[in-house]
Amino acid sequence: GENVEQHPSTLSVQEGDSAVIKCTYSDSASNYFPWYKQELGKGPQLIIDIRSNVGEKKDQRIAVTLNKTAKHFSLHITETQPEDSAVYFCAASPNSGYALNFGKGTSLLVTP
Amino acid sequence: GAVVSQHPSWVICKSGTSVKIECRSLDFQATTMFWYRQFPKQSLMLMATSNEGSKATYEQGVEKDKFLINHASLTLSTLTVTSAHPEDSSFYICSAWDVISYEQYFGPGTRLTVT
Repeated sequence: GENVEQHPSTLSVQEGDSAVIKCTYSDSASNYFPWYKQELGKGPQLIIDIRSNVGEKKDQRIAVTLNKTAKHFSLHITETQPEDSAVYFCAASPNSGYALNFGKGTSLLVTP
Repeated sequence: GAVVSQHPSWVICKSGTSVKIECRSLDFQATTMFWYRQFPKQSLMLMATSNEGSKATYEQGVEKDKFLINHASLTLSTLTVTSAHPEDSSFYICSAWDVISYEQYFGPGTRLTVT
């Protein structure tokens, strides 16, 4: 089955700096790669996703890149703000209608 | 975006009793819903896939007789934890797939504590 590795497990940055979280996956059949933000006691919130037919997608301060050959994808958050502090999960699946295989999560702390 | 609700948001029950958790897609129809479990400081682990009008598909190691799933309509799936034990205490999260937007949306989760 699919195995998703996520690094780092914790990340601390100063407000205004950029944050990068990286994930690798094992199953070449995976074509859908969403990123979720989870705040304490809440469900995951989709922040951005990318499908295998594109290499990069951007939404304001958030961007995701995908390298299908190397089987890795990354989340980039620019101009970080304290409210970006949360746990971020990457996931992979054949498409959005399939169950998601999650990475172990990255706890991001943005200090003022 | 589309909204998925869960009820209750938290529940405390005694060991040996059963608890039902509801997952609803509020503004779209979901032929497929998923149930995940998340222990503290851990990732989400898939428990089962729920398809409207058919039996759920359970992941290896998940007891289907203990975690009963019913997806009786296109907007509602239920998870019943039967004969709950303290080790079943966890955060249960559902997601629903919108066939129109091709996105999967998550509910807010249900915190179950078994005493």
